[in-house]
Amino acid sequence: DAGVIQSPRHEVTEMGQEVTLRCKPISGHDYLFWYRQTMMRGLELLIYFNNNVPIDDSGMPEDRFSAKMPNASFSTLKIQPSEPRDSAVYFCASSPGYEQYFGPGTRLTVT
Amino acid sequence: GQQLNQSPQSMFIQEGEDVSMNCTSSSIFNTWLWYKQEPGEGPVLLIALYKAGELTSNGRLTAQFGITRKDSFLNISASIPSDVGIYFCAGRNTGNQFYFGTGTSLTVIP
Repeated sequence: DAGVIQSPRHEVTEMGQEVTLRCKPISGHDYLFWYRQTMMRGLELLIYFNNNVPIDDSGMPEDRFSAKMPNASFSTLKIQPSEPRDSAVYFCASSPGYEQYFGPGTRLTVT
Repeated sequence: GQQLNQSPQSMFIQEGEDVSMNCTSSSIFNTWLWYKQEPGEGPVLLIALYKAGELTSNGRLTAQFGITRKDSFLNISASIPSDVGIYFCAGRNTGNQFYFGTGTSLTVIP
């Protein structure tokens, strides 16, 4: 099993640009989670899906953030426009129900 | 969102020593999870606990699901340099919501 796959691993962009992060969950997992990790705030849940349907997006910081899951094997997190305070490591995790399995993360730097 | 109280925040120990860390919550959980995160990587699941009182081992790691369902602890025996990292606890409630601890940073001195 390949585990959760995220791309890109690193992203450097300028303020105002659109950023798209991608995630492929583990096959058969019904839940997908997007997290943001920073030194100051730790691990924050942004949004999660169940069977491709967004269940809780209360952690999405503002309208600049959006997430989609068009099918069971793919999800995107988009930031438009990006700002320097969005710099963080973004993790995708998938779950069959009781446990979560994390991807390697995308380190985003917005200059 | 809610975060679990995890302690200690950091530990500096000599190689060979045992390590103990714990996590507490004001709410009950149905599942407790323990993760290890190394620099530049995502958290890796170490142990999952599914019922109150459960004691589970994974090599030199042992974790317990507290009887009250509001706490859990993780022990590492005979620490080695590769145990270095940040350890996170996580709890899952009946609504399938997951909450994470703030992490324990472990440094092992050879």
